[in-house]
Amino acid sequence: QKEVEQDPGPLSVPEGAIVSLNCTYSNSAFQYFMWYRQYSRKGPELLMYTYSSGNKEDGRFTAQVDKSSKYISLFIRDSQPSDSATYLCAMSVSDSGYALNFGKGTSLLVTP
Amino acid sequence: GAVVSQHPSWVICKSGTSVKIECRSLDFQATTMFWYRQFPKQSLMLMATSNEGSKATYEQGVEKDKFLINHASLTLSTLTVTSAHPEDSSFYICSAEGEQGYTGELFFGEGSRLTVL
Repeated sequence: QKEVEQDPGPLSVPEGAIVSLNCTYSNSAFQYFMWYRQYSRKGPELLMYTYSSGNKEDGRFTAQVDKSSKYISLFIRDSQPSDSATYLCAMSVSDSGYALNFGKGTSLLVTP
Repeated sequence: GAVVSQHPSWVICKSGTSVKIECRSLDFQATTMFWYRQFPKQSLMLMATSNEGSKATYEQGVEKDKFLINHASLTLSTLTVTSAHPEDSSFYICSAEGEQGYTGELFFGEGSRLTVL
């Protein structure tokens, strides 16, 4: 079993919809959780960074971490066609770039 | 935010040749850089951790003699794929830790797509 599981999609939603992206994990020692957005043939771009459980909001994006369920989510409100990309979750035990565990990414398509 | 530049963005080479990919931190000093490989619809797989002025640390299963990493300065790390073969065709991405050195300051390059014929 992979440490981080993420449904690859694709997920297609109409413009303006609320998007919910999720990852589950098996390692209860993970404490740092990140969401990255990756456009086709580009490097990942950090969207959200959270520590431990709870919610974090940044503009149209909200990240949730439920450590008891080993489940993290990224919500995108008022989705736009420019949000079409692959979203990768990543997590680690320590606050270091080493040993980041990535999900496979969920492909999102927002249609006008 | 900080910028990490990766060059070339794509390269095609013949089997048996060597290819060098550069990763530069443009506006910050990166003591630590990471090299990943990403196959289509797969997650990023860490290949090696590159520390300025010392030898890279390779992940299990990654051939250090095939994937040569040099981190000669605080702003430049290079990955050389030696004697490349078609199975080395992949998307190679570098990342650099910012000066604060935590995962919230991990910046990725644009990636380099290698195709070996």
